[in-house]
Amino acid sequence: EPEVTQTPSHQVTQMGQEVILRCVPISNHLYFYWYRQILGQKVEFLVSFYNNEISEKSEIFDDQFSVERPDGSNFTLKIRSTKLEDSAMYFCASSKQGPNTGELFFGEGSRLTVL
Amino acid sequence: KNQVEQSPQSLIILEGKNCTLQCNYTVSPFSNLRWYKQDTGRGPVSLTIMTFSENTKSNGRYTATLDADTKQSSLHITASQLSDSASYICVVSETQTGANNLFFGTGTRLTVIP
Repeated sequence: EPEVTQTPSHQVTQMGQEVILRCVPISNHLYFYWYRQILGQKVEFLVSFYNNEISEKSEIFDDQFSVERPDGSNFTLKIRSTKLEDSAMYFCASSKQGPNTGELFFGEGSRLTVL
Repeated sequence: KNQVEQSPQSLIILEGKNCTLQCNYTVSPFSNLRWYKQDTGRGPVSLTIMTFSENTKSNGRYTATLDADTKQSSLHITASQLSDSASYICVVSETQTGANNLFFGTGTRLTVIP
């Protein structure tokens, strides 16, 4: 069964360093998303991407964050200068239809620890 | 304010027993309601998606109900197994398009013990 894959599964970084999290969405999906989940808290929306551009972003997704689809398969989330509060599990998701009607398929997550 | 509240926060049951998880929401206008299962340290996996006109939807031993009038949903798990131990997240979608219009609950942490 097709699945969303994410790398790395766990990354430890120093505060102020740049981090890139990678995702390979399901191949015939058109909508891509990044969510994060701070330990013990609810899943929070960061950004959605459609037709090679950001379609929506939350207040969390400030200038320190960026997304890119560098080729036909990868979808990346970059955090330019990490802060302690960026420590969280980051989930990539994709859907065939838009987010309000389409089923979202989540990856296994990338755990980011900022020291 | 659009909110999704889940109860209980956590639940421990014996293997083989049934349980029911609750989700109350204030999201309006309503589009659909989803239940996800999230194993510890893993990504959420979809169990059911219910629209306004659907009252009940089953997926194996999982049965979700929806009362759009009272804005309540429940997830019933029958004959629980150890592998059912996970967090169960209720997500409600507004009719306005956009991923920012999906509202996540904090989840119910279910532990099934032998």
